[in-house]
Amino acid sequence: NAGVTQTPKFRVLKTGQSMTLLCAQDMNHEYMYWYRQDPGMGLRLIHYSVGEGTTAKGEVPDGYNVSRLKKQNFLLGLESAAPSQTSVYFCASSYSLAGDEQYFGPGTRLTVT
Amino acid sequence: EDQVTQSPEALRLQEGESSSLNCSYTVSGLRGLFWYRQDPGKGPEFLFTLYSAGEEKEKERLKATLTKKESFLHITAPKPEDSATYLCAVQAYSGAGSYQLTFGKGTKLSVIP
Repeated sequence: NAGVTQTPKFRVLKTGQSMTLLCAQDMNHEYMYWYRQDPGMGLRLIHYSVGEGTTAKGEVPDGYNVSRLKKQNFLLGLESAAPSQTSVYFCASSYSLAGDEQYFGPGTRLTVT
Repeated sequence: EDQVTQSPEALRLQEGESSSLNCSYTVSGLRGLFWYRQDPGKGPEFLFTLYSAGEEKEKERLKATLTKKESFLHITAPKPEDSATYLCAVQAYSGAGSYQLTFGKGTKLSVIP
């Protein structure tokens, strides 16, 4: 099993450009999450999904959109990138919503200039 | 508001020098406390889940304990390969059927040969 994979690993964008980050999991998990990790701060939840076709906002959702068209995939979109969105983005998945560990992907390092 | 504070921010140990990392938390309705290990440039790797005060879990040189206000990650006779950032996260009910993880900022452990 590959677990959780993320594409791409690195990306540089100019302010105002758009992009989509792809997350895939092969563990048949219902729940998937997008986090961002910034220096000196803990991981913060952007959006999450409780199943195919359903998404919800996390702690820091502004400037991001998500879609879960297939159970194994969770996409994170930036419509108009800003320098404040420079960060490392992690996708995670879990079997259940409460009490189960989340399995994380390797991350995408995004720089917005 | 749920809060998680980890201390110290950084810890340097000689190989074989045992110590403990602290995670103090304030949360209403704890659903679980999670410990993760994160190596540079990688995603967090799950270590332990603790659900109630008094619970303890062990894995190799690591032992996690939980009280009503804090958790400790005890490292016995550490080796250089234990060098990593250790993350603590608490999960509690956050409304609308959602349970979210709140992460601490982590403790960066360096084990010197």
